[in-house]
Amino acid sequence: DADVTQTPRNRITKTGKRIMLECSQTKGHDRMYWYRQDPGLGLRLIYYSFDVKDINKGEISDGYSVSRQAQAKFSLSLESAIPNQTALYFCATSDSPGETQYFGPGTRLLVL
Amino acid sequence: EDQVTQSPEALRLQEGESSSLNCSYTVSGLRGLFWYRQDPGKGPEFLFTLYSAGEEKEKERLKATLTKKESFLHITAPKPEDSATYLCAVQASTGGFKTIFGAGTRLFVKA
Repeated sequence: DADVTQTPRNRITKTGKRIMLECSQTKGHDRMYWYRQDPGLGLRLIYYSFDVKDINKGEISDGYSVSRQAQAKFSLSLESAIPNQTALYFCATSDSPGETQYFGPGTRLLVL
Repeated sequence: EDQVTQSPEALRLQEGESSSLNCSYTVSGLRGLFWYRQDPGKGPEFLFTLYSAGEEKEKERLKATLTKKESFLHITAPKPEDSATYLCAVQASTGGFKTIFGAGTRLFVKA
């Protein structure tokens, strides 16, 4: 079984809808991250969490919110989806800020 | 401003044709430089971490090197299975946690 899982893997939604992307990990890491990937732009950090009670905004947090339900679970919500949020979304975990990040398989989101 | 630039954007090689990918960076104090491999439809997979200028790391046909301004990923005698996007990322040692990713180099190796 994969160490970092994401659900759903693909999602099509309409403008204005609220959606949630979920991430679970079995690596036992405290730190979890949400990134989005767009062609030609690389990975950009949306939110990160260093433990259950710690949530921090990343580079592009506007229009997104997160919830850290447990050490192993970190969810990303789009309160009112818009077409420019169409992207590939990745969850990642690490043992500490300076350490390797382990990525999930990604969620491909299309907002119509 | 902290920045990571990878070149070329895409690289096409024949099997066995060695080459190098470049990652140029500007960061306020380098904590670490990471190389990842990403296959289509999958998440990035860790390859190497480099911490200081002059450091080198190798894994099979890949070798990563680091200077004060850039890193190279050298691919020796590539095979078709090396085809992927290679991502470079840097982490600053100041200003709290901050990892910046480059846009990647798409590598195509033809048999």
